[in-house]
Amino acid sequence: QVQLVQSGAEVKKPGASVKVSCKASGYTFTSYYMHWVRQAPGQGLEWMGIINPSGGSTSYAQKFQGRVTMTRDTSTSTVYMELSSLRSEDTAVYYCARGPGTKGAFDIWGQGTMVTVSS
Amino acid sequence: DIQMTQSPSTLSASVGDRVTITCRASQSISSWLAWYQQKPGKAPKLLIYKASSLESGVPSRFSGSGSGTEFTLTISSLQPDDFATYYCQQYNSYSKLTFGGGTKVEIK
Repeated sequence: QVQLVQSGAEVKKPGASVKVSCKASGYTFTSYYMHWVRQAPGQGLEWMGIINPSGGSTSYAQKFQGRVTMTRDTSTSTVYMELSSLRSEDTAVYYCARGPGTKGAFDIWGQGTMVTVSS
Repeated sequence: DIQMTQSPSTLSASVGDRVTITCRASQSISSWLAWYQQKPGKAPKLLIYKASSLESGVPSRFSGSGSGTEFTLTISSLQPDDFATYYCQQYNSYSKLTFGGGTKVEIK
């Protein structure tokens, strides 16, 4: 079946970086865009950016420009989201989500990865 | 960026009630709007896309309407499984997506 499986929870110190993976299966990896969305504890959803697995092009929300990098590995159908210069406000659940094309709702979501930033 | 404003932020209702949630966009997004349901500790689930199209497998008691800047999600007869938080999302521009603040549907 179509699914996105993310890497496990992370605990990081302020100033460090974290890299979260999202492995796709059950569909043609390069046919759908992948988005990253985060949710701080008790808060709403926040869109971080998008990657086109076909060519690797990316677009990031202005808030994360300079701190986030999204990449993909077509050989393993995996996308990655790396966030640097972590601060306590980055403590959140990070989700990958599939989007069909440049104008499409997110029809498949990963299970989420909890990232805790604490000294 | 396009701002999405949901109302109410919390809604108390009983099983069998008709429930309506509103989402307003700060500028026109045509029909590029989706609705998601999220339960505690779970990823969001797509309910409605393109403002009024029901995602496959979603019960028909869910419906969406609207275009331009004003949209609604309606649950025709609230079921026990529907108590959750609902989010709208605009995807008019794929590089500047935004979500509404969420509406928590609670048991009255």
